Amino acid sequence: DIQMTQSPSSVSASIGDTVTITCRASQGLGGWLGWYQHKPGKAPKLLIYAATTLQTGVPSRFSGSRSGTDYTLTITSLQPDDFATYYCQQANNFPLTFGGGTKVEI
Amino acid sequence: QVQLVESGGGVVQPGRSLTLSCAASGFTFSSYGVQWVRQVPGKGLEWVSFISYDGRNIQYADSVRGRFTISRDNSENTVYLQMNSLRPEDTAVYHCAKDRDYGAGSYFTDNWGQGTLVTVSS
Repeated sequence: DIQMTQSPSSVSASIGDTVTITCRASQGLGGWLGWYQHKPGKAPKLLIYAATTLQTGVPSRFSGSRSGTDYTLTITSLQPDDFATYYCQQANNFPLTFGGGTKVEI
Repeated sequence: QVQLVESGGGVVQPGRSLTLSCAASGFTFSSYGVQWVRQVPGKGLEWVSFISYDGRNIQYADSVRGRFTISRDNSENTVYLQMNSLRPEDTAVYHCAKDRDYGAGSYFTDNWGQGTLVTVSS
């Protein structure tokens, strides 16, 4: 199984900050990685797919990048609505696997 | 608009069975794969199972293989998750989620249900 190591597990930030979250895959994914935002009591939301492609309707302050087996989600100019938990998920091989999550809090 | 609504959760004793349903609307259900993903309270997301648009490709997480069975009825726009031999560690909110891309799909999920809580306890 592919292991996804996500860091940090939590980050404290302020409105307007830039936040960077990283996932490292235990093997190559060929760029087949997604990023999801999850708020308590709500359905998770797809932000980025195929490592760098912004899902329709997602603000452009969210971006994704890749370097080898390292994947990064960057949130620029953090907004109040962005305080949530973020997960990466590899979609290259079954079983699909999520990272451990990063809680972005004030 | 796209809607996915889970039902069937509840409190069940260890070793017993439960079947979850995921009712879909607002899209051509028979063209999209569907996944089940769970979240233990206070923990992260865990992928559980996948079924392709035509039901021919079925996959499970190691933690549920042999105990859970995923199926779909395209005439009823519904996906099911039959859960047997339930364990306390299966306690979680179970979400169903639709593949972003039709046909063979991409395994990225662009619409999720709110989830249904399954509690396994004596």
